Amino acid sequence: QQQVKQSPQSLIVQKGGISIINCAYENTAFDYFPWYQQFPGKGPALLIAIRPDVSEKKEGRFTISFNKSAKQFSLHIMDSQPGDSATYFCAAKPVGNYGQNFVFGPGTRLSVLP
Amino acid sequence: NAGVTQTPKFRILKIGQSMTLQCTQDMNHNYMYWYRQDPGMGLKLIYYSVGAGITDKGEVPNGYNVSRSTTEDFPLRLELAAPSQTSVYFCASSGRPGSGEQYFGPGTRLTVT
Repeated sequence: QQQVKQSPQSLIVQKGGISIINCAYENTAFDYFPWYQQFPGKGPALLIAIRPDVSEKKEGRFTISFNKSAKQFSLHIMDSQPGDSATYFCAAKPVGNYGQNFVFGPGTRLSVLP
Repeated sequence: NAGVTQTPKFRILKIGQSMTLQCTQDMNHNYMYWYRQDPGMGLKLIYYSVGAGITDKGEVPNGYNVSRSTTEDFPLRLELAAPSQTSVYFCASSGRPGSGEQYFGPGTRLTVT
C-alpha cells in the first residue's frame, strides 16, 4: 500500500524561528506533492504544492524543498508566527490516478510560542 | 461562493442507528471525496466519485455507502453505526484533472455511543 511518512508528530517553535516538517514516500510514481494546513475545527486548506520537476518552491514565508532521489520533501516556515499554529499534512498524488486521490501523511501539530 | 458545505456539524448516534452526512459543492467540480480523520491518523479516504453516477471505494469503505446523482451532491450513508465510526468526516472536491488541489468542507464530528 502506498504510504507517506511524516515527522515530527508535533513541533514547538518560538516566534520568529524556523519550523521544519519532513515527509518521505516509498513509491516513485507520484506527480504532485501538496501541503495542507488545518486549524482546529476547520477543514484542511491547501497551503503550497510542488511537482517533482522542481527542487524548491517558495511562497512568502513557506518553502517546499523536494529531493527526488531521496524520495523526500519538506516544508519550511520562516519567521514562524503564533498564527501559524495548526496541523500540517503532507500528501502525494499517484501518477495517472483515476480519481485524483491523495495519500496523506499523519500530520504534524505545530505550536508557535509568542 | 460557498465552496464545499457539509451538514450536520455535529451528531451523536446510538449503536445500530443510521444517518446520512450531506455534502454539497457549488464549484461544478467533477471529483468529490469523503475522508475520515481520526486523531493522529491523518486523513483516510472512504469513497470517491469522478462524476455524477460514478463512485468507487477508497481505503476504508466498510460500513459506508455513497451515491452521486448530481454533480453538486455527494452524500455519505452510515448503516448500523458502530463505535469505530466515531470520527470527524470531511468532504472534498477537485476540479481540473491534474490540478491536484482538493477543497475541503468544514467537517462533521460524529460520535457513536
